[in-house]
Amino acid sequence: EVQLVESGGGLVQPGGSLRLSCSASGFTFSSYAMHWVRQAPGKGLEYVSAISSNGGSTYYADSVKGRFTISRDNSKNTLYLQRSSLRADDTAVYYCVKDSSSWTYYFDYWGQGTLVTVSS
Amino acid sequence: DIQMTQSPSTLSASVGDRVTITCRASQSISSWLAWYQQKPGKAPKLLIYKASSLESGVPSRFSGSGSGTEFTLTISSLQPDDFATYYCQQYNSYSAFGGGTKVEIK
Repeated sequence: EVQLVESGGGLVQPGGSLRLSCSASGFTFSSYAMHWVRQAPGKGLEYVSAISSNGGSTYYADSVKGRFTISRDNSKNTLYLQRSSLRADDTAVYYCVKDSSSWTYYFDYWGQGTLVTVSS
Repeated sequence: DIQMTQSPSTLSASVGDRVTITCRASQSISSWLAWYQQKPGKAPKLLIYKASSLESGVPSRFSGSGSGTEFTLTISSLQPDDFATYYCQQYNSYSAFGGGTKVEIK
């Protein structure tokens, strides 16, 4: 059974930094691209970032480019999202998402999400 | 960037109704479109990919159609478990989601 478990959310002050982690199991992690998608409270889904199966290619939405860094450790089956210069509008539930294949950009499994609140 | 527009934003319907949700892309995305269902407090669930392919395990009352810039998600006979918010997503050029359509009880 595919499982994606996010951690690292919580309250952070504006301008602060936070790293999210996603522990994956139930599939060959190193064979799939992985993504982060976020959802502000009461709002729709927003695509954030992607990383290829070997970590060699990454993509960022304009809203987070230069502030967020996606990475992965295939030896630990773990995906990361390092976020810096956090703003109030970064407040959201962050979902770790599995690509349906090596790099298709549609998603067959989602984690339960971790809430990040940016506030003083 | 490709923009995705869903309509309506809210839809009131009864059990047994046929429901149609529309998604429009700002430029052609061929058939690179997916649909997701999200219930309150839960992660989204994949329903349809490549515009009309049903994900394994999804009931056959869900169907998708369209290509280019206009797409539809149809629920042939609405069931109590289907009251939720539905999102379309283009994956022709990276990824972008529509604003969502909430299907509520009439």
